[in-house]
Amino acid sequence: KAGVTQTPRYLIKTRGQQVTLSCSPISGHRSVSWYQQTPGQGLQFLFEYFSETQRNKGNFPGRFSGRQFSNSRSEMNVSTLELGDSALYLCASSISQGRRAEAFFGQGTRLTVV
Amino acid sequence: AQTVTQSQPEMSVQEAETVTLSCTYDTSESDYYLFWYKQPPSRQMILVIRQEAYKQQNATENRFSVNFQKAAKSFSLKISDSQLGDAAMYFCAYRSGGGGADGLTFGKGTHLIIQP
Repeated sequence: KAGVTQTPRYLIKTRGQQVTLSCSPISGHRSVSWYQQTPGQGLQFLFEYFSETQRNKGNFPGRFSGRQFSNSRSEMNVSTLELGDSALYLCASSISQGRRAEAFFGQGTRLTVV
Repeated sequence: AQTVTQSQPEMSVQEAETVTLSCTYDTSESDYYLFWYKQPPSRQMILVIRQEAYKQQNATENRFSVNFQKAAKSFSLKISDSQLGDAAMYFCAYRSGGGGADGLTFGKGTHLIIQP
């Protein structure tokens, strides 16, 4: 069974640009969550999607958005990139939205903003 | 809001020895879940062990076990017979059992070094 796939693995963007990251969950998983990991702030929750609906959102500005498609694949978009958006973005999928459901993580997308 | 604190930025242990990683958390909720995740250099987060707050029995997974002290809001991870492959960043995480939860709340992590 294939794991969580995130593309691309690495990305370099310029300040002011926008970027879209993709996450394909494990087959059969319907919940997808996104996290930002930086050396200073650590791991922070961005948002969670279930059945194409955003269920929860972390404390991030509106420049960060996402969506989920009918096949459970999810995309995350960051507009008007800032230097501080440089981070590892991790996606996790779960079979359901249940709190005890195990979250399986992808290997992340390393975004560098210059 | 819930917070998770890992007070040990780095720990070192000899191969085959036992090491304990500390984690404390702050919450006013009674229903929640606690996790330990491992992040090796490949960056992929791997679930090590999970504990439901309503269960008094400490979770165990092979060489990994936890000491869950609900009243003290403490959730430490014990790794027995440490192996070179255990070297990684270890993150303690909290998730609310109720609605409106904000995903997983992570601690800052502990870098575990295994000395051969």
